[in-house]
Amino acid sequence: EAQVTQNPRYLITVTGKKLTVTCSQNMNHEYMSWYRQDPGLGLRQIYYSMNVEVTDKGDVPEGYKVSRKEKRNFPLILESPSPNQTSLYFCASCRGLNTEAFFGQGTRLTVV
Amino acid sequence: AQSVTQPDIHITVSEGASLELRCNYSYGATPYLFWYVQSPGQGLQLLLKYFSGDTLVQGIKGFEAEFKRSQSSFNLRKPSVHWSDAAEYFCAVGGNAGNNRKLIWGLGTSLAVNP
Repeated sequence: EAQVTQNPRYLITVTGKKLTVTCSQNMNHEYMSWYRQDPGLGLRQIYYSMNVEVTDKGDVPEGYKVSRKEKRNFPLILESPSPNQTSLYFCASCRGLNTEAFFGQGTRLTVV
Repeated sequence: AQSVTQPDIHITVSEGASLELRCNYSYGATPYLFWYVQSPGQGLQLLLKYFSGDTLVQGIKGFEAEFKRSQSSFNLRKPSVHWSDAAEYFCAVGGNAGNNRKLIWGLGTSLAVNP
């Protein structure tokens, strides 16, 4: 089954404690991206990757890092989380920008 | 500038009534247009897409959308809404304009369905 898997689904952490949200896709897609979703602000892209070792900033990259060492994995790293990073995060993958994007189930992060 | 506008933040309809969700876009090249649905607690799922050809496209769950180039619109419609259609709906545009490397998303329309 084609899918994008994110872990964890829910996470509560404290300010400054490094965390990683994992994302894995089994469709051999080249393009992967991370979004955050906040009420009234829709989906905002954090980072994207067009292929292995190729990553670039989206609209709201501050406070986040990513890596793309393998095609299937695209982890999101928060080196020093802050309360304003409390949000719902989605990972997505697709073959290209003119094709269907597949989304993970989301990770609800709370930073206290 | 490239943008997608969904003018209606929230819409409430009665079950069985028809539905139209509006989407207007600004894009510097031939757009690839998408509608996604997000059910509560879920990720986004593709409803339908338009790349070329017939301007009326059919999607899953009984939805359709019509591309109108002259109006820069891609409105989503359903003849008879079901209670299970209550969700958030997002319009998006992608393509090859300039150095575009991402989908441009609307802010979404929240649909409530009254029994």
